[in-house]
Amino acid sequence: SAVISQKPSRDICQRGTSLTIQCQVDSQVTMMFWYRQQPGQSLTLIATANQGSEATYESGFVIDKFPISRPNLTFSTLTVSNMSPEDSSIYLCSGTGSSGNTIYFGEGSWLTVV
Amino acid sequence: SQQGEEDPQALSIQEGENATMNCSYKTSINNLQWYRQNSGRGLVHLILIRSNEREKHSGRLRVTLDTSKKSSSLLITASRAADTASYFCATDQDTGRRALTFGSGTRLQVQP
Repeated sequence: SAVISQKPSRDICQRGTSLTIQCQVDSQVTMMFWYRQQPGQSLTLIATANQGSEATYESGFVIDKFPISRPNLTFSTLTVSNMSPEDSSIYLCSGTGSSGNTIYFGEGSWLTVV
Repeated sequence: SQQGEEDPQALSIQEGENATMNCSYKTSINNLQWYRQNSGRGLVHLILIRSNEREKHSGRLRVTLDTSKKSSSLLITASRAADTASYFCATDQDTGRRALTFGSGTRLQVQP
């Protein structure tokens, strides 16, 4: 199984600033995804991180607000731009390998915007 | 958007009792996966059941899948206080996209 590391694990951010979350996978994965989990809610897919090209965003999420990079198979970043209190959430990175269907998740990055 | 609903939304039981959580979904799937999330933490993968399977076991976990009813259930037998967590079902829809679509989750509280 893949081990997925995220950082920061937790941060308190000022309104109007941006924060970049890093995701590192310990083995090559074919696909990586970013999810958001608002307080008390389930997970919502933000985008699929594509290696070497622009991410594929879900309805309601745009690149200007959530720019994503994936320079190689094992690393991706998500930036939450111009943050407001409504962006306070857990952001989770996930990935799946070529050999199986199981999708693994990082521990999440818990952002609080004040 | 969420694929479906889970019920109950919250469940409180005594240690040693069994806990059953149900999940419904809306579209054709490749597989359905169950995850556990302790408060404010990442998701732990519990079990995956493929669309051509009807039942699967892993330790104290038993998962069923009824594709005709588009529903699944997760049974935790002989529950322990450490099982206290939120449980989510997630579907890998038959679209080739591979991303998971999550249900609304069940918060399980196991009283010692």
